[in-house]
Amino acid sequence: EDKVVQSPLSLVVHEGDTVTLNCSYEVTNFRSLLWYKQEKKAPTFLFMLTSSGIEKKSGRLSSILDKKELFSILNITATQTGDSAVYLCAVVYGSSNTGKLIFGQGTTLQVKP
Amino acid sequence: SAVISQKPSRDICQRGTSLTIQCQVDSQVTMMFWYRQQPGQSLTLIATANQGSEATYESGFVIDKFPISRPNLTFSTLTVSNMSPEDSSIYLCSVVEREAFYNEQFFGPGTRLTVL
Repeated sequence: EDKVVQSPLSLVVHEGDTVTLNCSYEVTNFRSLLWYKQEKKAPTFLFMLTSSGIEKKSGRLSSILDKKELFSILNITATQTGDSAVYLCAVVYGSSNTGKLIFGQGTTLQVKP
Repeated sequence: SAVISQKPSRDICQRGTSLTIQCQVDSQVTMMFWYRQQPGQSLTLIATANQGSEATYESGFVIDKFPISRPNLTFSTLTVSNMSPEDSSIYLCSVVEREAFYNEQFFGPGTRLTVL
């Protein structure tokens, strides 16, 4: 059964801390892995990862994919209260280009002042 | 990226009624999808909205309950039929802009549905 598992499920840190969020997957015909930030309703796109070992970076956020070990991490440095959100990992999979995503459970991050 | 809007943004409905949610994109996109997020859960794909033909439903979702239309490359609707409290969820449309092996996928703002 195809699945995406995120850990931890929830995390509480203080401003300035660095956090690492994990995403492991087991899917048929992996294509790409996407990270989203969800604050209210709509998931906001963060990164798409397709190749192993190539770090994607945007400000204080960075992410990397390991296709051999089937996982990805999302790092947030110097956290701010505005980083408080649910972070979702999703995998695009399938032998044809269906574009379908399977999501992990999400990691709820709370950053305290 | 494409700008996606959804209407309504939220609604409270009585059981047994139906609600149609609209998803509008400001540019033509190749793929459109509908997802459901039940309270405290992650997102689950309901169906792929196919332009000019019947939607492709995922296991556990049927056309009679969730009829979907996609008359063109910028617009789709999802109807939640004969609603029950278990249908209370956030409903999200998403789009893939271009046909490519690697696809970034963007989400609309969502519709929060409460069924009493």
